[in-house]
Amino acid sequence: KNEVEQSPQNLTAQEGEFITINCSYSVGISALHWLQQHPGGGIVSLFMLSSGKKKHGRLIATINIQEKHSSLHITASHPRDSAVYICAPNNFGNEKLTFGTGTRLTIIP
Amino acid sequence: DAGVIQSPRHEVTEMGQEVTLRCKPISGHDYLFWYRQTMMRGLELLIYFNNNVPIDDSGMPEDRFSAKMPNASFSTLKIQPSEPRDSAVYFCASSPGPRWSNQPQHFGDGTRLSIL
Repeated sequence: KNEVEQSPQNLTAQEGEFITINCSYSVGISALHWLQQHPGGGIVSLFMLSSGKKKHGRLIATINIQEKHSSLHITASHPRDSAVYICAPNNFGNEKLTFGTGTRLTIIP
Repeated sequence: DAGVIQSPRHEVTEMGQEVTLRCKPISGHDYLFWYRQTMMRGLELLIYFNNNVPIDDSGMPEDRFSAKMPNASFSTLKIQPSEPRDSAVYFCASSPGPRWSNQPQHFGDGTRLSIL
């Protein structure tokens, strides 16, 4: 079973700050998803990556497969970034995702 | 594109009743996933389908839970009989391809289920 740890569990920051959320997992994977869950409950897939780095606007996701670690960065954070961010590694050999417990991010204006 | 559509959005029912949750995946998506989210356990995969065939149901908690996908545009998750510990938000997601195609999963808005 893949053990997934995210840190921090909660993060409060001022608008404009650079944000980093970390994810570590215990078992080799084929890919990793970063999901965003807004206060209303809806879930959006932000990234799916298997190596290196991906960037969408102010969001950057990196992964180091050898070290079993991924990070999600948000530049110039904004109150609308306030959400729970969940990392979900994709197990080898199947389509199953294992979910981290999430990082609750609050950006204060 | 309408996205993944789940119904109902909210369901409140008494213990022992049968509950049916419905999902319409995005047209053309070959994979469909059912997830459950609770405060205690977070998000968990219950079952997933590929081309309407159940591939992995190891996450289904017990025999009271069953899922079907009679065609490419419709799936149901049924709980019979329901128990208070089944109270959770149930999400359906679909994906156009397997993980190696780098295709993300698209989530529905979820069904918030409360069993009294």
